Amino acid sequence: ETGVTQTPRHLVMGMTNKKSLKCEQHLGHNAMYWYKQSAKKPLELMFVYSLEERVENNSVPSRFSPECPNSSHLFLHLHTLQPEDSALYLCASSQEVGSGNTIYFGEGSWLTVV
Amino acid sequence: GENVEQHPSTLSVQEGDSAVIKCTYSDSASNYFPWYKQELGKGPQLIIDIRSNVGEKKDQRIAVTLNKTAKHFSLHITETQPEDSAVYFCATDGSSNTGKLIFGQGTTLQVKP
Repeated sequence: ETGVTQTPRHLVMGMTNKKSLKCEQHLGHNAMYWYKQSAKKPLELMFVYSLEERVENNSVPSRFSPECPNSSHLFLHLHTLQPEDSALYLCASSQEVGSGNTIYFGEGSWLTVV
Repeated sequence: GENVEQHPSTLSVQEGDSAVIKCTYSDSASNYFPWYKQELGKGPQLIIDIRSNVGEKKDQRIAVTLNKTAKHFSLHITETQPEDSAVYFCATDGSSNTGKLIFGQGTTLQVKP
């Protein structure tokens, strides 16, 4: 069992739906991340949060909206997605932002957009 | 921006043999080089990492080597076991100061009993 928990594990949504992915880390870390993993593509960073402040947005479309209410929780709000957004969305955390901090991943949320 | 190339994309070995996965990177400012293992239906898990001031690191059957001059690093698994079968990803931090990792494309390792 990892220290990073993601819900739901699987989600199917229509292109007009609004849904949210939730992540909680139990490691006492200060940094949290969203990564996207698509078939045949490397893992791509989406967002980085440090102590609830967004410190990086990796050119992610506005139909993905992150929220970090505290250092233990991270959400990814989804609206008007496209079928090509179907992927595994991975939440992760590390002690701090910055090079060399080990990043711990959750199990991921499988998203299918129909 | 930083680019990480990983080879091979698939690797099949007999149980007990060694497996080697290689990665090259483009950003000379890279200082941190982790390797992750991802089993089916799970998130990636860190198995070993190395920093730029070290040329080699070993942890039981797993070792990583780094050549900063040539900008490449490799994962070596000895005495492979069926439970080593998974997808392996290399990564590096590039010039990032936010902990951002740039990942290779992944290597699917199959260890045949």
